[in-house]
Amino acid sequence: KQEVTQIPAALSVPEGENLVLNCSFTDSAIYNLQWFRQDPGKGLTSLLLIQSSQREQTSGRLNASLDKSSGRSTLYIAASQPGDSATYLCAGTYSSASKIIFGSGTRLSIRP
Amino acid sequence: DTEVTQTPKHLVMGMTNKKSLKCEQHMGHRAMYWYKQKAKKPPELMFVYSYEKLSINESVPSRFSPECPNSSLLNLHLHALQPEDSALYLCASSQRAAQETQYFGPGTRLLVL
Repeated sequence: KQEVTQIPAALSVPEGENLVLNCSFTDSAIYNLQWFRQDPGKGLTSLLLIQSSQREQTSGRLNASLDKSSGRSTLYIAASQPGDSATYLCAGTYSSASKIIFGSGTRLSIRP
Repeated sequence: DTEVTQTPKHLVMGMTNKKSLKCEQHMGHRAMYWYKQKAKKPPELMFVYSYEKLSINESVPSRFSPECPNSSLLNLHLHALQPEDSALYLCASSQRAAQETQYFGPGTRLLVL
């Protein structure tokens, strides 16, 4: 069974710290992996997408990595800010037929 | 324009009502998706349309009926829903099915009484 897991479920850090969010997946035949952020009651905002042939992607203070062999992806956030507080979700796509499986998310709180 | 719009923002309906959710994008994307998200849970994929054809139906009950009238529009017709169908319904689109970044709309929050 294809599953995507995110640990921890919640994380609180002081402003300015660098942090890493974790995502693991059971089936390494992943097509791509996306990281999203979701603010309470809102839709999802795509942060980074890593194709299965890639190892990492960067956008501003964000860096996402993908290791298919170990079934892991990480999202690194540098110099965290209170505005980064949100729920972060990773999602794996299996096959070009668009089967997309989300992790349960990590609720991130940045303390001023 | 990188926006996906959804209407209405909120919807309250009785179990005997018929209503529709609407999603629109003008990015030229050819894949569109419906997701259901319950409180404090991740989104669950319901339907995928690729080039206006239904390509995935994740065993969704027939009281949910999707429709893709053209490449910019996606509807979700609702009939005889149950209270447990109350959720945030999210629409998304991508250039092609699942191979590229998905752009999400803000969602329709549905309450079934």
